[in-house]
Amino acid sequence: SSELTQDPAVSVALGQTVRITCQGDSLRSYYASWYQQKPGQAPVLVIYGKNNRPSGIPDRFSGSSSGNTASLTITGAQAEDEADYYCNSRDSSGNHAVVFGGGTKLTVL
Amino acid sequence: QVQLVQSGAEVKKPGASVKVSCKASGYTFTSYGISWVRQAPGQGLEWMGWISAYNGNTNYAQKLQGRVTMTTDTSTSTAYMELRSLRSDDTAVYYCARGPLPSGTALDYWGQGTLVTVSS
Repeated sequence: SSELTQDPAVSVALGQTVRITCQGDSLRSYYASWYQQKPGQAPVLVIYGKNNRPSGIPDRFSGSSSGNTASLTITGAQAEDEADYYCNSRDSSGNHAVVFGGGTKLTVL
Repeated sequence: QVQLVQSGAEVKKPGASVKVSCKASGYTFTSYGISWVRQAPGQGLEWMGWISAYNGNTNYAQKLQGRVTMTTDTSTSTAYMELRSLRSDDTAVYYCARGPLPSGTALDYWGQGTLVTVSS
């Protein structure tokens, strides 16, 4: 079982704003990173650190964190944003292992 | 540009071993670690472990301890992941990814994935 909890599925109307959340004790100590994965493709890093986007990631993607919850927000969702989204962090046992959330399937209606 | 290029698909019988390679380019190999992540069909991402390309230190996921070995060859900027005593539930796409840095969590570049099928 994952130490990071995500909702299995979320939907958003085209052009609207959606928030995908990730909960876990380790998020009190570490920032989450977020990945987008489309079918048949490798994951792509979209947010890391406090709220950093790698080069080439649209600015409609943003990240935030409060307590044990990290959030990925897509402002003005596009059809191409339909994908699985995963958060990751370190585990809470102190051994520096990496953990992933179970993933959230985002549907853009 | 940073690239991680993995070896091709493998089909193995239960009990066998598999070794997947990940050749890095576009950056100083020894400045970053490499993580290995797998994804079973229709399932989520599972972190398998990490190796420092600087000194070879490793950190393996507890559930794979004793069955997995990660190594690097700095002369060719290549990382390797060997998994032994394969079972049917090891069938998955295996990815290498750069990172994370010691204080972070981000895996910023990923290989294209290698499908490993375990079947009798």
